[in-house]
Amino acid sequence: SQELEQSPQSLIVQEGKNLTINCTSSKTLYGLYWYKQKYGEGLIFLMMLQKGGEEKSHEKITAKLDEKKQQSSLHITASQPSHAGIYLCGADFSGGGADGLTFGKGTHLIIQP
Amino acid sequence: NAGVMQNPRHLVRRRGQEARLRCSPMKGHSHVYWYRQLPEEGLKFMVYLQKENIIDESGMPKERFSAEFPKEGPSILRIQQVVRGDSAAYFCASSPSGSPSETQYFGPGTRLLVL
Repeated sequence: SQELEQSPQSLIVQEGKNLTINCTSSKTLYGLYWYKQKYGEGLIFLMMLQKGGEEKSHEKITAKLDEKKQQSSLHITASQPSHAGIYLCGADFSGGGADGLTFGKGTHLIIQP
Repeated sequence: NAGVMQNPRHLVRRRGQEARLRCSPMKGHSHVYWYRQLPEEGLKFMVYLQKENIIDESGMPKERFSAEFPKEGPSILRIQQVVRGDSAAYFCASSPSGSPSETQYFGPGTRLLVL
């Protein structure tokens, strides 16, 4: 079974609407990273969360990590065409130093004008 | 302030040939990670290297794949005798020193197609 589950797998949202993407872990997270990938390109770092209950915002994107550190959500307010892409959550399960991240399969976001 | 550089961006090889993928980390970063993204699958960790050392290669296939990060020059991911199943996007990421709070910054990827 997948250690990190993302939902939904794909999302079509009308421009201007809000949306939420979820990332659920089967284990305690030492760090949770959100990245955005445009089709055929590399990953762009969005935010990193480490502490239970932590919340970070950048422009219209807000990410939260729950108190138990097993679930994170990414919320986009007033979506724009530039938000379209694949959103990936990556987890640090080791906690002992920078190791390889474990990624979810991604959420494909399409913004309809 | 250049980011992580990867080359080539696209690589086409015939079955049985060798593929060499290069990664230059961000300036000041001494830790490199390689990931593979297969069609319909997520991004999978392959190997973690520091200068002249392989720290964790738990995600590397046991045969045909090798990685190095020499004292001078880029990190190299080498795939010998490529097969069609090796077709994927290979991403490199770098971080400054490898501490738990550090972010891994990704390059644009090399897309390998094996004919």
